[in-house]
Amino acid sequence: ELKVEQNPLFLSMQEGKNYTIYCNYSTTSDRLYWYRQDPGKSLESLFVLLSNGAVKQEGRLMASLDTKARLSTLHITAAVHDLSATYFCAVDLRNAGGTSYGKLTFGQGTILTVHP
Amino acid sequence: DGGITQSPKYLFRKEGQNVTLSCEQNLNHDAMYWYRQDPGQGLRLIYYSQIVNDFQKGDIAEGYSVSREKKESFPLTVTSAQKNPTAFYLCASSIDRSLPQHFGDGTRLSIL
Repeated sequence: ELKVEQNPLFLSMQEGKNYTIYCNYSTTSDRLYWYRQDPGKSLESLFVLLSNGAVKQEGRLMASLDTKARLSTLHITAAVHDLSATYFCAVDLRNAGGTSYGKLTFGQGTILTVHP
Repeated sequence: DGGITQSPKYLFRKEGQNVTLSCEQNLNHDAMYWYRQDPGQGLRLIYYSQIVNDFQKGDIAEGYSVSREKKESFPLTVTSAQKNPTAFYLCASSIDRSLPQHFGDGTRLSIL
């Protein structure tokens, strides 16, 4: 059974500071997604990481994937209040032949609060 | 604009009642999914469908049923067998199983 664990689950940051959210998963996979969710809203896709060593950046957020360590990170640079939200990673489980099972397993989410 | 439409936004269920949540997409996506989100938790997969007239159980299918008679529609029925249905339900779709999923705005279900 695939398990996906994020840490920390709660993150309170000061504006202007840097921090990293970690996403560990238990089974080999080379496809990982990061999503953002605002309170009471749906999920917005942030990054799709498709291979070992993949790095994607958008604004103050940068995501990376290390498939050997089964670890993805979401790095926040110089946080601003608008980044306050819940961030989820999700892993696409594949079979031995590399074919996706077509379903995502989500981490618990990291609630990020950025304050002045 | 293309997208995923979930309705209603809020739904109340009486004890012993079945309720159906609607999910429609005009993205021409083959794959559709239903997730349940409880407060402070991640999403858990209820059912998914890769193609019309076919669907598979996810991790928490008990007490739920689905149909996929049309490509654009994937309704979810919460049956009376689901004893703890209060949650936020999200529908998603993707062009195929290997590509990112796009999410609807969700339906919040509560018990009266």
